[in-house]
Amino acid sequence: DAGVTQSPTHLIKTRGQQVTLRCSPKSGHDTVSWYQQALGQGPQFIFQYYEEEERQRGNFPDRFSGHQFPNYSSELNVNALLLGDSALYLCASGPRRNMNTEAFFGQGTRLTVV
Amino acid sequence: QKEVEQDPGPLSVPEGAIVSLNCTYSNSAFQYFMWYRQYSRKGPELLMYTYSSGNKEDGRFTAQVDKSSKYISLFIRDSQPSDSATYLCAMTPLQNTGFQKLVFGTGTRLLVSP
Repeated sequence: DAGVTQSPTHLIKTRGQQVTLRCSPKSGHDTVSWYQQALGQGPQFIFQYYEEEERQRGNFPDRFSGHQFPNYSSELNVNALLLGDSALYLCASGPRRNMNTEAFFGQGTRLTVV
Repeated sequence: QKEVEQDPGPLSVPEGAIVSLNCTYSNSAFQYFMWYRQYSRKGPELLMYTYSSGNKEDGRFTAQVDKSSKYISLFIRDSQPSDSATYLCAMTPLQNTGFQKLVFGTGTRLLVSP
């Protein structure tokens, strides 16, 4: 089992550009959450997807959007990138009923905005 | 004021020491309390979780929750150099919908020297 797979692992973007990050959940998991982890900080919840719908959202602007596909994989899109969007973006997957205690995190995508 | 407060450290201890890591929180709705370990350039890995108050032990690790004081702890016995990592506390309220977000502390960096 490959666990939670995120791609790409690193990328560099210019301020104002758009970026798409991808997540493949662990086998058997149907729920995906995205988190942003700035350097030296704990992860901050962005949103959670289940059955291809956004179910809960944190305090992030509309520039952050997402999608979940029928195979449970997910994308995070960020428009009009700001320098402050530079962070490690983490995807977590789990079964909906036990997302708290059975969620697995991927290794993250490190985004640098210059 | 942040919902979850955690001393960022670093905390330096010699091999074999007992380590105490702590978090305080302000939201009385929190019911699930987790501890994650995050190695450099990796995603968080769930170590232990506790529901409501009480203690839980797993090998060298013991988690304690004191809801009356809004204070949680993780103890590591016989610490090893391989325990050197950042330890994140996380918590979430109990919701019947099953769609919950994790609220993380900033993480405490632990260094165990041989």
